[in-house]
Amino acid sequence: AQTVTQSQPEMSVQEAETVTLSCTYDTSESDYYLFWYKQPPSRQMILVIRQEAYKQQNATENRFSVNFQKAAKSFSLKISDSQLGDAAMYFCAYRLGGGADGLTFGKGTHLIIQP
Amino acid sequence: DVKVTQSSRYLVKRTGEKVFLECVQDMDHENMFWYRQDPGLGLRLIYFSYDVKMKEKGDIPEGYSVSREKKERFSLILESASTNQTSMYLCASRVTTGPEAFFGQGTRLTVV
Repeated sequence: AQTVTQSQPEMSVQEAETVTLSCTYDTSESDYYLFWYKQPPSRQMILVIRQEAYKQQNATENRFSVNFQKAAKSFSLKISDSQLGDAAMYFCAYRLGGGADGLTFGKGTHLIIQP
Repeated sequence: DVKVTQSSRYLVKRTGEKVFLECVQDMDHENMFWYRQDPGLGLRLIYFSYDVKMKEKGDIPEGYSVSREKKERFSLILESASTNQTSMYLCASRVTTGPEAFFGQGTRLTVV
């Protein structure tokens, strides 16, 4: 079975600084997706960024980028120029490519932004 | 915009009651999912459905059942609610060929 591990229950960063959230996963599959979701206090799950396993290039979305190390099964999220609106729970998630499978989530990292 | 709508944001039910949580999506997605979210445990998959009347167990199906009579609607059923089913429940949907799942706003269920 696939597992996703987030080893940081809580992280704190000063506004405008950079923070990296860690995620490791375990799978024997070669075709899969990795995601970072953000969940603010409103509870709405928002997709931050996704990475297809077959792509070597790390995904980037504005201030958000990932460091995807396939051999090490590591998928960290870097948030640059942190803003107060980035404060939320962040979940790393895995899904097998193709088919109807659901997501396997990590336990989440609570990100605090200090003004 | 894709919309996934859960019928209630907050729900309080008594132990032993039969509880229905409803989820509707408006984008003709084949696949729909029910997750349970608990602090320190993340989200865990309860059941999913890849077509009308089709269902598959997820990681924690015990105590739950589901119904999908129409493509746009996926219901989670607690046959006899218990206090350990107090939790946040999130519904999601996606197309089979697409990577991204879209989530509803969640239902916080309290069983007393």
